[in-house]
Parts: sequence; C-alpha cells; structure tokens
Amino acid sequence: DQQVKQNSPSLSVQEGRISILNCDYTNSMFDYFLWYKKYPAEGPTFLISISSIKDKNEDGRFTVFLNKSAKHLSLHIVPSQPGDSAVYFCAASVYNQGGKLIFGQGTELSVKP
Amino acid sequence: DAGVTQSPTHLIKTRGQQVTLRCSPKSGHDTVSWYQQALGQGPQFIFQYYEEEERQRGNFPDRFSGHQFPNYSSELNVNALLLGDSALYLCASKRTGGNPGLRAVNTEAFFGQGTRLTVV
Repeated sequence: DQQVKQNSPSLSVQEGRISILNCDYTNSMFDYFLWYKKYPAEGPTFLISISSIKDKNEDGRFTVFLNKSAKHLSLHIVPSQPGDSAVYFCAASVYNQGGKLIFGQGTELSVKP
Repeated sequence: DAGVTQSPTHLIKTRGQQVTLRCSPKSGHDTVSWYQQALGQGPQFIFQYYEEEERQRGNFPDRFSGHQFPNYSSELNVNALLLGDSALYLCASKRTGGNPGLRAVNTEAFFGQGTRLTVV
C-alpha cells in the first residue's frame, strides 16, 4: 500500500519558469511533511518541511503548500534554475512515531537553459 | 562539521553471504535510521535506533538486523543475501529530544551518501 504517491515520474521546465511538483498521501495520521532533493551518487538533501497546522511554508525560491482536505501537497520552485535538476522526494511522518519517514517514488525534475 | 558518513560506498557480494554496513551520524545527533532504496523507487524505512535499541521497524525480514553503539554510530547487517537485496542503503540521523515514549521533535533527518550494494 503506497501511502505517499508522486504520480509524475518526470517534469521538464524552462529555466526561469515555475516548477510545480505534486504529492498525494492517503494516511490522515500524517502530520509532518518534507521535501528532499537527490542528485545521482549522493544521499537525499533536506529542502523544506511543513507541519499539518500550516498550509504554506516558504524558504527563498521554495514554497510548499499543504491541502489537508485533499491530502495533497506541492512544492513550487520559482524561478527554476538548471542546478535544480534532480530527483525530488516528498516524505511524510507521524509525530509520535519517532520520525519514521514514508517516501514517495520521486519526481525527476529537469530544468533546461 | 562532518555530516552523516557511511562506509563502504560500494560493495559487491555473492548470494547467501552476509554484509555489514556502517554509519556515523551527524555531530549532535543521537538517532539513526536505515532505509533501502531500490532503483526507481523512494527510500523504504528499515528500522530506527535510539539509545542503542531498535525503536521502530519497517516491513523487512529478520535477515535485516542492526546495532547502535554508545557513540551513536550504527551498523546494518543483512544475512543470507538475495539478489533482491541489491539496492542503495541510506543512513539518516537526527536529534531526538529526551521526551519519554520517543515523542520526537519533528526535525528533519540528514542522510548520508549511501552504500550501493550489489548482490550477484
């Protein structure tokens, strides 16, 4: 049972435009969500997170939106840069489960100059 | 400040053999989790160690075992290797508050670069 789903395996965007990566989840117990970025031959790098008590969190060019009623979150990157090209994973956890992360399958973002 | 370090970076083993992977957490971190990432998939949680005890376990067979040492470093052991165990093994560390019942503060986990295990 895939509790966290990223239905787009890949996304291609022009440099300077907005990249929108989507993630859906099924477990209503999830209350903390994270986005990680992964380059080849490296481990995932934390990007941004959001608690379920919020619906938006911003950090520079990165904004995460959470729609609890739809069990959907999205990551917006504005403006997109070629260095953003990587695989992006969303992950979810339940607060009282010690931070065990449930990951989606990942979306490969390609930002073209 | 060194981040999470894992060794070795690559490993080739034969079916049926045993393997040990190692992880040193980021400075100040006391909780270590292990994940398995198969090709084209997201990382899958194996287990988590805190205070030298296994605190949570994912859906992995008993062939997967681990250990945490007093310095918070950790090992992942896999016995009787199968071809399907070929994957990237990731270690993640975080700081857990001293709250009873492991009600951890939701801080992000930091990942190492992983160990690429190939079983032939």
